[in-house]
Amino acid sequence: SAVISQKPSRDICQRGTSLTIQCQVDSQVTMMFWYRQQPGQSLTLIATANQGSEATYESGFVIDKFPISRPNLTFSTLTVSNMSPEDSSIYLCSVLSGGGLYEQYFGPGTRLTVT
Amino acid sequence: GESVGLHLPTLSVQEGDNSIINCAYSNSASDYFIWYKQESGKGPQFIIDIRSNMDKRQGQRVTVLLNKTVKHLSLQIAATQPGDSAVYFCAESEYGNKLVFGAGTILRVKS
Repeated sequence: SAVISQKPSRDICQRGTSLTIQCQVDSQVTMMFWYRQQPGQSLTLIATANQGSEATYESGFVIDKFPISRPNLTFSTLTVSNMSPEDSSIYLCSVLSGGGLYEQYFGPGTRLTVT
Repeated sequence: GESVGLHLPTLSVQEGDNSIINCAYSNSASDYFIWYKQESGKGPQFIIDIRSNMDKRQGQRVTVLLNKTVKHLSLQIAATQPGDSAVYFCAESEYGNKLVFGAGTILRVKS
């Protein structure tokens, strides 16, 4: 399985500011995803990060709030913009395994607290 | 670290017993299902998967059962160990792309 790292692992931010989270994979992958996990909750897909084109956002998530970049097949960033305390969550990136399989592997997550 | 499963149902089992974690899924068109284990402060870890053309799949100490008639998935863990304590999530997908996660279950193993 792919090895996925995220930076930062955690951060405490002031409301109204923005934070960019990085996701690095140790091998080229076709599909990368960003999820949010609110405290005590399950995971919700924010968007699919497409290489060379705009991300595909799920219902309830918009590009202005969660801009995503995918400059190559091993790296993606998610920005949480104009943060409010409701954005306090764990943000996780995941990748689809290669070889025609459907397994998704997750990074360790970024724990964000907005004060 | 902070628990990710503060508001989730809990299953408590004795060390050495078998555990059964259940999941109801919603989309009758889903054709792929995964179980994940999430320990405190970590991302979800892939455990086992199953496709809709199967009703049972076994791994090392784990078995996944799929009942498409009632849209039910279960994860069986044999000889549960303290290291199995975590939050367990099922997830479903259609054509292997977007994963939709279930609510999750906390597994606590008593020594």
